[in-house]
Amino acid sequence: KNQVEQSPQSLIILEGKNCTLQCNYTVSPFSNLRWYKQDTGRGPVSLTIMTFSENTKSNGRYTATLDADTKQSSLHITASQLSDSASYICVVSDRGSTLGRLYFGRGTQLTVWP
Amino acid sequence: EADIYQTPRYLVIGTGKKITLECSQTMGHDKMYWYQQDPGMELHLIHYSYGVNSTEKGDLSSESTVSRIRTEHFPLTLESARPSHTSQYLCASSSTGSGQPQHFGDGTRLSIL
Repeated sequence: KNQVEQSPQSLIILEGKNCTLQCNYTVSPFSNLRWYKQDTGRGPVSLTIMTFSENTKSNGRYTATLDADTKQSSLHITASQLSDSASYICVVSDRGSTLGRLYFGRGTQLTVWP
Repeated sequence: EADIYQTPRYLVIGTGKKITLECSQTMGHDKMYWYQQDPGMELHLIHYSYGVNSTEKGDLSSESTVSRIRTEHFPLTLESARPSHTSQYLCASSSTGSGQPQHFGDGTRLSIL
């Protein structure tokens, strides 16, 4: 079973609407959680990082939240644009190894329609 | 925009051929990684390197090999390609230190006929 589960698997919204993507993890010990955006045919790009002590962090129209007690994170996108169409990947890092091993979710495929 | 480059972007080749996927970064990062990504699935780490002359296998068993002779260059080689190797291969790099983001290339989409 994957230690990082994302929902929904896919989502279609109209331009200008808001949406929230979910990420639940079981990774322990926890180091940080990062959200990546992957456009079709491109590599993932980091949007934001959340550490244990952080509850919320914004990057423009993207706002990430973290509840380390329930091991849940969300990514909220405000006033969506066509360019937000992409796969959003949740990645959790542990503190159990020198590598700081990364656990990847399968992503939420977001499509924004005009 | 991250300065990490992968070539070729697309490759269609026959079974049994030797393939080298190139990855170069200009950020001076010590850590480099190779991932395999299939549609709708999570990224799987197949190789990583902490620096020159350092290479390790990742979580996903792979018949590929890597080398790290120069800091900026981390090529991946398949000695004899098979249809099961068909996938997208992503290269990434990061600087040393906890919590540093991985910067990804745009990937090589490999199809073995």
